[in-house]
Amino acid sequence: QSVLTQPPSASGTPGQRVTISCSGSSSNIGSNTVNWYQHLPGTAPKLLIYSNNQRPSGVPDRISGSKSGTSASLAISGLQSEDEADYYCAAWDDSLNGLVFGGGTKLTVL
Amino acid sequence: QVQLVQSGTEVKQPGASVKVSCKASGYTFTSYGISWVRQAPGQGLEWMGWISPYNGNTKYAQKLQGRVTMTTDTSTSTAYLELRSLRSDDTAVYSCARDPGMAEIDYWGQGTLVTVSS
Repeated sequence: QSVLTQPPSASGTPGQRVTISCSGSSSNIGSNTVNWYQHLPGTAPKLLIYSNNQRPSGVPDRISGSKSGTSASLAISGLQSEDEADYYCAAWDDSLNGLVFGGGTKLTVL
Repeated sequence: QVQLVQSGTEVKQPGASVKVSCKASGYTFTSYGISWVRQAPGQGLEWMGWISPYNGNTKYAQKLQGRVTMTTDTSTSTAYLELRSLRSDDTAVYSCARDPGMAEIDYWGQGTLVTVSS
């Protein structure tokens, strides 16, 4: 069971906007920043969002992140077929004294 | 460009040890930490620990304390993960990742499958 809670699946049609939630607690999301990763099977995961809402260079601005209290969200607008992948959130946990991840959300583009 | 290239698939018997390597290129190896993360079949991501190639400082996940050792060789820009007393539930894909500050993973290796089976 993952420390951070994500929905196991999400879906949308091309052009739509989808959001993926990540729920934690005061010891992780509530007191530390959140990163988001995209993982296509057979490839190395890719950093999409760091420090809650910052995009690395090369990540399009249709991808955004936000955080409020002990929850965070990843939003993808203008959905494209290439967005079909697994998405993971991550944050440091002060109680466990380690990095914790969400269980991952499989995004399907219908 | 930043690249982390890991060693190949391993098959080990229960009780044995495994050592996975991760060769870094495209950046100054000693300026960034390395985290190790694993993913068992059908499971989520699990952080195993972090090492600073600059001074060798390490931090291990509590669950793995005593069974895991992370090291680096700065002459070859290579990080190593050793896991001992392997059990069947250690079967997983093991990935190294560049991690400047122990919770800031920005680049990942391609992963190494370790299968523990008799």
